This record gives sequence, structure tokens and C-alpha cells, in this order.
Amino acid sequence: DGGITQSPKYLFRKEGQNVTLSCEQNLNHDAMYWYRQDPGQGLRLIYYSQIVNDFQKGDIAEGYSVSREKKESFPLTVTSAQKNPTAFYLCASSIDLTPGTQYFGPGTRLLVL
Amino acid sequence: SQQGEEDPQALSIQEGENATMNCSYKTSINNLQWYRQNSGRGLVHLILIRSNEREKHSGRLRVTLDTSKKSSSLLITASRAADTASYFCAPGRDYKLSFGAGTTVTVRA
Repeated sequence: DGGITQSPKYLFRKEGQNVTLSCEQNLNHDAMYWYRQDPGQGLRLIYYSQIVNDFQKGDIAEGYSVSREKKESFPLTVTSAQKNPTAFYLCASSIDLTPGTQYFGPGTRLLVL
Repeated sequence: SQQGEEDPQALSIQEGENATMNCSYKTSINNLQWYRQNSGRGLVHLILIRSNEREKHSGRLRVTLDTSKKSSSLLITASRAADTASYFCAPGRDYKLSFGAGTTVTVRA
């Protein structure tokens, strides 16, 4: 089955802790994205990557970091600098940055203890 | 801002009725896309309409685009309980899709 997987489904963060959300795709897509969704709101772009070893900040990158060492993988780290991390995080991929159809993973819900 | 703004925020209809939701945006676009999100899940792509197209159909979905008014509409015909979800428009420009806050549709049996 082709698609995007995200793990874990739920993640709990203690104050001062960095946590990493996983995103993997087997669609052979070049572009990958991370979004944050707060209740009753739309998606806001955190980071995006057009190609391996290259990524760009989106609208709300502060307190987050990413890497793109493999085409299939685009992990997101929520650092302790992100003071309000509680949200639903969605990863997506597309063939390229045209902007074309984006395919979304099932999401990770991050909660703060 | 390129961000889409959907209207209404919420819509409740009887099964079998049609559901219409609208989207407005403020800048020029390459295309406009509509997505569906079931509660607590990821988004699913429904339809993409290019800036030089005026209307597009896919199954029970009909999308219109009026670039002069910077607006789009999504019509779902003969709604079913399974259509209960949030629907998002996403104007697309350059590399970016800009999602609005969505319209929550509830289909009553």
C-alpha cells in the first residue's frame, strides 16, 4: 500500500523536553510538508522540503526543526522553545512544489504534561 | 493573504439534500483545491480546479471557480451520512497551499 505514515498517534511532552514526530512516505514524492492544526482552525505551514537535504521555513517555524536525509522521511522536532506545542500535527507530501495535490498522513496529536 | 476563508462555518442538512459551501481568497492563484477531514484524521484531497477552469465535476462533487471574484464553491449532491466531515478550501500559489478554517458539515439521517 502506498501512502504516508505518521507516528506516534499520540505524544506527550514534558516541559523543557524536545520530542520528534515521525513522517514516512513511500509515494516517491519529492516534496514534503509539516502543518500544525489547532482546534477550529485551518492548517498552518511549519516547514517544507522540496528535495533531500533541503528544507525551508513556513509561516510558523519558530520552536520547530526538521531534517530531510532521505527522500522517504521528514521528521519534525518540537523543541523546548515552542511554548505552546499542544496541537494536531499533519505531514503531507506531493510530487513536487507546483502546488499540486497533497497527500496527508493520519496525524500526531501532541499533548503537554 | 492567499488564505481561503470558508462560509458558512457550519452546515447541518438532511440525508439526500445538497450541501453548498463557499470559499473566498485575496490574491492570484495557480489553482484551488478542496479537502475533506473526518474528525481526528488526516485530510483527503477531493478536487483540484486550475485558475483557467470555471467548473469541475467529480462524482457527486461540483466545484466552481470565479477568479474575477476570487471565490469558489463546493456542492455535494445527494448527501450521505458518510459526508459528515470538515471541508477545507486551499488556494494554491507557487509552492504553497493556504488552508482556511473549514466548513463543518453534519448530515442527519
